[in-house]
Amino acid sequence: TQLLKQSPQFLSIQEGENLTVYCNSSSVFSSLQWYRQEPGEGPVLLVTVVTGGEVKKLKRLTFQFGDARKDSSLHITAAQTGDTGLYLCAGMGGSNYKLTFGKGTLLTVNP
Amino acid sequence: DTGVSQNPRHKITKRGQNVTFRCDPISEHNRLYWYRQTLGQGPEFLTYFQNEAQLEKSRLLSDRFSAERPKGSFSTLEIQRTEQGDSAMYLCASSLETGRNEQFFGPGTRLTVL
Repeated sequence: TQLLKQSPQFLSIQEGENLTVYCNSSSVFSSLQWYRQEPGEGPVLLVTVVTGGEVKKLKRLTFQFGDARKDSSLHITAAQTGDTGLYLCAGMGGSNYKLTFGKGTLLTVNP
Repeated sequence: DTGVSQNPRHKITKRGQNVTFRCDPISEHNRLYWYRQTLGQGPEFLTYFQNEAQLEKSRLLSDRFSAERPKGSFSTLEIQRTEQGDSAMYLCASSLETGRNEQFFGPGTRLTVL
């Protein structure tokens, strides 16, 4: 069974601060996806990383895939209240169709 | 908006009743997935279709659950004889078979079993 551990589980910061959340596994993934989910809604895809060591930037968000493709991080610069939400990482294993999700990091950005 | 749609958005039912949810995927996507998400957890895989064929069912999907995708377009998920433990958010996603197989989720159906 492939498990993804996300940390921290909860994070509360002030607007303008920087933060990093982590997604770790003992398993290798062919790709890893980050989603953001708001209460009562489905997850919204932010990015997909495929290559070990890959770094992708989406405005103030920077995503990194570990060299061994077992872990990933999401860094947010100058957080805004609109960044509040549940950040989920999900790995695609050898099956090429089934996503394994972590439990998520619940981020609250206070004004 | 041509994203994934799900109906109903909310369903409240009494224990023992049957419920059916519908998912309409992104039109050109040939893969369709069902996941279940409970409070404080990430989504868990339930089942997967490629076109009309159901290719995998999770052990989470008991005999009371059945999913169909009769014409390779929309899908339905039926739960028979609902139990309180079935209360959850049921999420549908779709993807293309090729490329990165990125899965796009619908808004979900929130089921509450009383």
